[in-house]
Order: sequence, then C-alpha cells, then structure tokens
Amino acid sequence: DGGITQSPKYLFRKEGQNVTLSCEQNLNHDAMYWYRQDPGQGLRLIYYSQIVNDFQKGDIAEGYSVSREKKESFPLTVTSAQKNPTAFYLCASSMVATDTQYFGPGTRLTVL
Amino acid sequence: RKEVEQDPGPFNVPEGATVAFNCTYSNSASQSFFWYRQDCRKEPKLLMSVYSSGNEDGRFTAQLNRASQYISLLIRDSKLSDSATYLCVVSPNAGNNRKLIWGLGTSLAVNP
Repeated sequence: DGGITQSPKYLFRKEGQNVTLSCEQNLNHDAMYWYRQDPGQGLRLIYYSQIVNDFQKGDIAEGYSVSREKKESFPLTVTSAQKNPTAFYLCASSMVATDTQYFGPGTRLTVL
Repeated sequence: RKEVEQDPGPFNVPEGATVAFNCTYSNSASQSFFWYRQDCRKEPKLLMSVYSSGNEDGRFTAQLNRASQYISLLIRDSKLSDSATYLCVVSPNAGNNRKLIWGLGTSLAVNP
C-alpha cells in the first residue's frame, strides 16, 4: 500500500525538550512538506523540500528544523525555541510537477 | 482581504439535501484550485481539483469563476458521511507546490 506514515500519533513532552516527528512516504514523491494546524486556523507551512538534501523555510519556520537525507523521509524537530509547540502537525508529499498534496495521518503534539 | 475566504458555517442540512459552498480568493493570477475534506481530528484528504471547465465526481460538482474569483462546491443528495469540514485551497502559480493557500474551512453537518 502506498502512502504517508507519521509517528507517533500522539506525543507528550515537557517544556524545554526537543522532539522529533517522523514522516515517511513510499509514493516516490519528490516534494515533502510540514504543516501545523491550530484550532480555528488554517494550515500553516513550516518547511518544505523539493529534492533530497535541500529544503526551504515556510511561513512559520522559527523554532523548527528539518532534514532530508532520503527521498522517503522528512523528519521535523520541534525545538525548545518554539514558543507554542502544542498543535496538530501534518506531513504531506507531492510530485514536483503538480500542486496536489497528499497527507499523512498527523501527529498531535502536546507540550506540558 | 484574506487570500482565501470561506464561510465557516456550520451548515446543517437534512439527509438528501443539496448544499453549496463558495470560496473566494484574492490573487487573480491563481492557477490551481482544490477542495479537500477534513474529518474531525484527521488529516485533510483531496476531494477534487477544480478545473476551468468545471468538474463532477458523482454527487460532487466543483466550479471555477475566474471573473468573480471564486470556486464552488455543490453536494447533491447529502449523506450522513458527508459531515466534515471542507477546505478550499488555492495555488498562486502552477506547479509552485510550496505556496498552497488554505482556507479555514466550511463545516457541514448532515442530519438524519
């Protein structure tokens, strides 16, 4: 089955700790994205990558970091510098030539 | 003016009803348009792309009006399972994956 997986589904961390969210896809998509969704707000782009070993900041990159060492994987680290990390984090992927993005099931992060 | 605007609803309709949502966008150069569906606490899922000529998929019909800068989604013969939030998505440039602009969504509740 082709798709995008994110783990874990729920994550709890103490304030001040870094945490890494996993995103893997086997759709052979070149582009991958990280979004954040808060109640009452639309999806906001954190980082995106259109090719291995390259990535760009989105609209709200501060306090986050990513890597793209493999085409299939695009992990997101939420650092202690992120002021309000509690949110629903969504990973997506697409073919570079299209705008259609497909999403993983998301990780719900709660910082205590 | 917001880049993408949707009536948040909620729209409460009985089973079997026809319901329509509109979404306005501010950038007249926008190239690609989509409707996504998002169930409560789940990831967005692509419902349909919106083409200039309009397109239909079963009970769902999407239209694009470039002159008035809006897209619409019509759902006929509503089912209980159609209850969800419908997200309007606009891409300013064809193939420019990073900059999808997401609306806040329109909430639909189909009642028995």
